[in-house]
Amino acid sequence: EPEVTQTPSHQVTQMGQEVILRCVPISNHLYFYWYRQILGQKVEFLVSFYNNEISEKSEIFDDQFSVERPDGSNFTLKIRSTKLEDSAMYFCASSIGLAADTQYFGPGTRLTVL
Amino acid sequence: AQTVTQSQPEMSVQEAETVTLSCTYDTSESDYYLFWYKQPPSRQMILVIRQEAYKQQNATENRFSVNFQKAAKSFSLKISDSQLGDAAMYFCAYRLRGNMLTFGGGTRLMVKP
Repeated sequence: EPEVTQTPSHQVTQMGQEVILRCVPISNHLYFYWYRQILGQKVEFLVSFYNNEISEKSEIFDDQFSVERPDGSNFTLKIRSTKLEDSAMYFCASSIGLAADTQYFGPGTRLTVL
Repeated sequence: AQTVTQSQPEMSVQEAETVTLSCTYDTSESDYYLFWYKQPPSRQMILVIRQEAYKQQNATENRFSVNFQKAAKSFSLKISDSQLGDAAMYFCAYRLRGNMLTFGGGTRLMVKP
């Protein structure tokens, strides 16, 4: 069964450094998402992406974040200058469509900012 | 803004028994979607069951069923004949017509052999 994959599984970085988290969505899916979960807190929506542009974003997704689909298979989340509070589990998800369509999640990347 | 609340941080159940996980949500909308996701340790979240708000009939998927009370804004998950593999974090989630899922805080389910 097709799965969403994410790399790396764990990323450790120094405060102020740029990180890129990578995701490979399910191949026939058209909508892509990033969520994050700070330890002990709820899973929070960051951004959704469709047709090579952001379709929705939360207030968390500020100017230090960006997303890109650099080729036909990868979907990336870039954090330009990491802060301590960016430490979290980041989940990528994809779906065929909107609303009732199931979002399939990847296993997550644990980002630790020191 | 929509909120989703799971009031039970942890639940435990004996193998083969039945357990119910609670979820309430707050919305002023009438057309939306509700989901239960399961997250085993160190594994990705997988969809357990979903419910369209316009449907009165409660969704069922094998041993998993929901009790959807629209007026009360309640969406509980019942797991029958619990198995050791059911042990996981369970997240309730809400989705309007757009993209984002709004999650509850999760309930950790432990299954005792």
